[in-house]
Amino acid sequence: QVQLQESGPGLVEPSQTLSLTCTVSGVSMTSGTYYWSWLRQSAGKGLEWIGRIYHNGVTNYNPSLKSRVTLSADTSKNQFSLMLTSMTAADTAVYFCAREDAFHSGGGFFDYWGQGSLVTVSS
Amino acid sequence: QSILTQPPSVSGAPRQRVTISCTGSSSNIGAGFNVHWYQQLPGTAPKLVISTNSNRPSGVPDRFSGSKSGNSASLDITGLQAEDEADYYCQSYDTSVSHYVFGTGTKVIVL
Repeated sequence: QVQLQESGPGLVEPSQTLSLTCTVSGVSMTSGTYYWSWLRQSAGKGLEWIGRIYHNGVTNYNPSLKSRVTLSADTSKNQFSLMLTSMTAADTAVYFCAREDAFHSGGGFFDYWGQGSLVTVSS
Repeated sequence: QSILTQPPSVSGAPRQRVTISCTGSSSNIGAGFNVHWYQQLPGTAPKLVISTNSNRPSGVPDRFSGSKSGNSASLDITGLQAEDEADYYCQSYDTSVSHYVFGTGTKVIVL
């Protein structure tokens, strides 16, 4: 079955860069018509979509985060990654990776999620 | 501030029916974009329970149903069970911000 697992540090200092990796198992990232996404959830802002990457490297980002976000994929390892620069306390959240079934007219949905990774921004 | 508005909580006794509303606007639901629904149990990731307005993924009980009309959508849970107590979120796409958006979330309380 499809599984996703986030990995990365739980604590990031202010102004530093967050790096998270999502390892996909049970399916190849290059198969099917799926995007691979990052989302986050905080008490203050609820669920927020960060961005997505297709296996060919095409990316789309939330405009409010675009200047600080970079997504990348390593299909040989079946992994994709998130980098978020200039972290502040407002970026403290649980970060999820998810598979997006995107190729529907009218917008896609997230059918498989990782368990989530709590990231706290603090010195 | 979220673009999709949901009631903070709804409650019902076991075996009763509850309805969760998701109110949007002409830049998201009203523009014809699909609405999807997720269930989130405490400490876990969201789980898809309704996709593309009214489709139930495999394994989701048929007591969950969804609909969409105008600028709004609804999730119905009939025959409410204790295990349905969770937070529920709607999700769509919005042209004013050019990305996917989620509702404010609704806590379902089983009395």
